[in-house]
Amino acid sequence: NAGVTQTPKFQVLKTGQSMTLQCAQDMNHNSMYWYRQDPGMGLRLIYYSASEGTTDKGEVPNGYNVSRLNKREFSLRLESAAPSQTSVYFCASVFRPDRRDTEAFFGQGTRLTVV
Amino acid sequence: TQLLEQSPQFLSIQEGENLTVYCNSSSVFSSLQWYRQEPGEGPVLLVTVVTGGEVKKLKRLTFQFGDARKDSSLHITAAQPGDTGLYLCAGGRGNQFYFGTGTSLTVIP
Repeated sequence: NAGVTQTPKFQVLKTGQSMTLQCAQDMNHNSMYWYRQDPGMGLRLIYYSASEGTTDKGEVPNGYNVSRLNKREFSLRLESAAPSQTSVYFCASVFRPDRRDTEAFFGQGTRLTVV
Repeated sequence: TQLLEQSPQFLSIQEGENLTVYCNSSSVFSSLQWYRQEPGEGPVLLVTVVTGGEVKKLKRLTFQFGDARKDSSLHITAAQPGDTGLYLCAGGRGNQFYFGTGTSLTVIP
């Protein structure tokens, strides 16, 4: 099925460990996003990539890095995990041919626990 | 500080009742989206509104964008158990989308 695929679905890390969350979309969309979702906070934007070769910080970028490897793939890296990074992480792929028309698809999420 | 505040945060109603969820901000957005999210899943886009005062209908769901493009509402008529979920609004500015805090709706059969 077409859509956004995130891996892994679950992960437990020890404080200080590093890991990379993977995201891939097969809809040929230009824009991709990484969000984290915490109880009572909605979704907060970590980083986004408006097009292949570009990345920009969102609301909460500290402690994260991203790579837009190609048009399909956008990865999120935690260099030194902290308990405050325990969260559910969502990748989204967005197509906006014009302001009136938006297609947005989210992956199923990665549930990360840092102990 | 959240740019978009949603109310109520939690809502539990009986099947067949009507309800309205609000999404408010002091900032202007170029577009406003509504999503529904079910447990263990990612949000699913329901609608995008872009013009101040715009009203869109999706079956029993009616979405309205405020005249000043700072707020929006979602009205559900004759709620059904299948409407249960977390409803999120998101405001668009350039390439960024800012999400609200969410409204958790439970419809009791």
